Amino acid sequence: GQNIDQPTEMTATEGAIVQINCTYQTSGFNGLFWYQQHAGEAPTFLSYNVLDGLEEKGRFSSFLSRSKGYSYLLLKELQMKDSASYLCAVSDSNYQLIWGAGTKLIIKP
Amino acid sequence: GAVVSQHPSWVICKSGTSVKIECRSLDFQATTMFWYRQFPKQSLMLMATSNEGSKATYEQGVEKDKFLINHASLTLSTLTVTSAHPEDSSFYICSARDLEGASYNEQFFGPGTRLTVL
Repeated sequence: GQNIDQPTEMTATEGAIVQINCTYQTSGFNGLFWYQQHAGEAPTFLSYNVLDGLEEKGRFSSFLSRSKGYSYLLLKELQMKDSASYLCAVSDSNYQLIWGAGTKLIIKP
Repeated sequence: GAVVSQHPSWVICKSGTSVKIECRSLDFQATTMFWYRQFPKQSLMLMATSNEGSKATYEQGVEKDKFLINHASLTLSTLTVTSAHPEDSSFYICSARDLEGASYNEQFFGPGTRLTVL
């Protein structure tokens, strides 16, 4: 079967760095997405990785290792507005998105 | 950038009535649109995949006669919740895939529709 695993909840301090991990087992792989979702709102796109390595975009970076079925989202210089759920999703062989359950990130002052 | 709109953004209806939700891709053509449902504190659940001009493909456990999907054009898909009941109260989100965009894979999300059935 297809499976995406990510921690249910994480807590971090404003100004710090946090890494949210995602492991996956899917039928085929056409890339991995990270989305941010604030409560009551639709997801917004953060990053896309299809090749191994690190993609950096401002305070956010995303890493992929296809051989390990593993990705992480790294958030630096955390701000209170970063409190949200972070969703990992893998595009399978049919270009269908398989979603993780999301990681709720709580930022404390 | 690719923009997807949904209408209405929220709706309250009586049990037994039907509700139609529209999803539009505003500045691109979307041959494929997706309908998701999200209950409080849970992740997105794919309900169905909608391809323009053909019947939608429903996920296991989703009643196709209750959740009617129409994708009549490359920019519009509709979801009709028929004979809605309180357990259908949820956040419904659509997304659209832009085949000509920079990333073939990326789905662009609408803002969502919050349905409350009394």
